This record gives sequence, structure tokens and C-alpha cells, in this order.
Amino acid sequence: AQKVTQAQTEISVVEKEDVTLDCVYETRDTTYYLFWYKQPPSGELVFLIRRNSFDEQNEISGRYSWNFQKSTSSFNFTITASQVVDSAVYFCAPRSYNTDKLIFGTGTRLQVFP
Amino acid sequence: NAGVMQNPRHLVRRRGQEARLRCSPMKGHSHVYWYRQLPEEGLKFMVYLQKENIIDESGMPKERFSAEFPKEGPSILRIQQVVRGDSAAYFCASSPGTGDTDTQYFGPGTRLTVL
Repeated sequence: AQKVTQAQTEISVVEKEDVTLDCVYETRDTTYYLFWYKQPPSGELVFLIRRNSFDEQNEISGRYSWNFQKSTSSFNFTITASQVVDSAVYFCAPRSYNTDKLIFGTGTRLQVFP
Repeated sequence: NAGVMQNPRHLVRRRGQEARLRCSPMKGHSHVYWYRQLPEEGLKFMVYLQKENIIDESGMPKERFSAEFPKEGPSILRIQQVVRGDSAAYFCASSPGTGDTDTQYFGPGTRLTVL
């Protein structure tokens, strides 16, 4: 069975602080794909990043960076110098290699205050 | 290039009525997925379709719910005889293919309220 855990229910930071969102994906599969989506207050879902389980190279894109450690099943997402517009619910959503359905975590609500 | 389109954005139905939700995938995408989001929860997979075929409906309730993706036109999620528990946001996603091209892009959702 697969399990996605986003232990942080809500995080509040002040603008310009760095913030890391945690996600743990427990699975027996050796191949899987990991996705992060953002849901701002307007309600739509915005795709942020996709990573493959066989690629552990971490990545930085602008203010976003990702840290994937297969040994601990963690796929964490960091926003550097947060801005008020980053306020949203962030979902980790892995997918096993042999299925088409995304398994969504319960989400982490990020509030960035000015 | 237009994104995934869903309509209506908001739908209000009385108990016992039918709800029809529409989804037009992104141009060039032939795979459509439906998810449901209950209040304060994450999204739950419902069904995966390709043109004229249901590929995986393991998340669909056994009764009252059906989905189709005809050769022409949008994908339709149909809920018959709605009940208050059907109130939720229904999201459609599309992808261009499978494997490395299977990133799912979501529409804005349809918020269904059952009175």
C-alpha cells in the first residue's frame, strides 16, 4: 500500500523568510513519480514540479528548490524569500509507475504575511 | 494555448436532480482524469479516460456516477440523483500521454453545491 504524508497542516511565515514543506511517500515501488501542486485561494490547481524516483539530483528554479531523498522517502519543497503571493495550499502528489492516478496528500496551507 | 477548461464553474442542484460537469482537455491532450475534493481535504482520484474508453474507474462510486469522453466534444462527469454528500469541487486534468509525458494539468474545477 502507498501512503503520502504531509505532516505540516499549516505554516505561517513573514515575507522574505524561507520555508520548507515536507512530504513523505511510503511505497514498495522502486519506480515512481512525484509531483507538487499549488492551490491558491482562487481554487485552481497549478502544477509546480515533477520528479522521477530514479533521479535524486536536487534542483533549483528561481525561488523554488526541491530536495528528494529516496532513502527516507522524503520529497521536500523550499521557497526562498517567500512572498505574499506564495500563500496557498501546497499538495504533494506521487504516482506509482504502474498506475495513472495521483495520490494527493492532505496539503499544507502556507500563509505569508507582509 | 488554452488550458484545461471546465464548465460550469459553479453548479447548484437540489437533492434528486442530475449534475453534468464538462471538461475540455488542453489542445493535443488525449488523456482525461477526474478528481473530487471534499472541503478541507486533498483530491481523490475518480476516473481516467481516453477517447471513447474508460481506462481506470477504480475511484468512482458504484452508483449514480458515470463518465464519458466521446470521440467529439468534452468529457462529461454525470451524477444522477445528487445527495448532499456529493457537494464538493470536481477537478478535471489532462495529459498528452503516458510515461514521461504524463504530467497532469488541472482545470479550474466545478464547485457543486447540493441543497
